[in-house]
Amino acid sequence: DIQMTQSPSSLSASVGDRVTITCRASQSISSYLNWYQQKPGKAPKVLIYATSSLQSGVPSRFSGTGSGTDFTLTISSLQPEDFATYYCQQSYSTPRTFGQGTKVEIK
Amino acid sequence: QVQLQQWGAGLLKPSETLSLSCAVYGGSFSDYSWSWIRQPPGKGLEWIGETSHSGGTNYNPSLKSRVTISLDTSKNHFSLKLSSVTAADTAVYYCATGMIYIDYWGQGTLVTVSS
Repeated sequence: DIQMTQSPSSLSASVGDRVTITCRASQSISSYLNWYQQKPGKAPKVLIYATSSLQSGVPSRFSGTGSGTDFTLTISSLQPEDFATYYCQQSYSTPRTFGQGTKVEIK
Repeated sequence: QVQLQQWGAGLLKPSETLSLSCAVYGGSFSDYSWSWIRQPPGKGLEWIGETSHSGGTNYNPSLKSRVTISLDTSKNHFSLKLSSVTAADTAVYYCATGMIYIDYWGQGTLVTVSS
C-alpha cells in the first residue's frame, strides 16, 4: 500500500492568512494526487485533482503543486468558510489511500 | 450530474454482516468507478474498495477477506457487504463515485456495532 502522510495534523490561522498543507507519498504517484475539503457532518468535497487542476466551482485561492512524492495545497488568503479538515488522496493505485487529514482552525 | 442516495441498517451486533446499498441517479455506469469509503467517528477517511461496470473489483487489503462490493445496473444501484463486523467497524459509510477522483458522494450512513 502507498502511505500518505500529511503535515501538519492541525493548524491555527487567521482570516487572510496564506496556508500551506503538505502531503508526502511513500512512493512515487506521478501526479495522481487529489485534495478534499470536509466540514463537520458533511461528505468531503474535491478541491484539486491531478495535483493542480481546480475542480469546477472551487475558488481560485486554492491551488496545488507537486509531483512524484511531495505535494502541497495552498490557500492564498484564508476565508471564514475555509475552516475545515483537508485530506489528500492518491489515485495512482489501489488501495486509494488518504492522508490522515489536516484540521484548519480559527486563531 | 450524478446523485447518490444510500440506505441500510445503522445498528448491528458483533459478528453480523453490514449491508448497505446506494441508488444512482444520472450518469452512466460505464463512465465511473463505484466506491465505498468509511470514516470512524472523529477520525480520517478509509477507502474500502471499488467496482466498475466490467465487474472488476478492488478492495483494501485490510478488509479484503470480509468485503464484497457489487453493481446492479438493472436496478441502478451498487452495494457493500462487510461480514463479521466488530466495534472497530463503527463508522460513517459513504458510497461515492468518480473517474480518477471522487466527485460525487452519498449522504453517509452511520453504522454502529454494539452488543
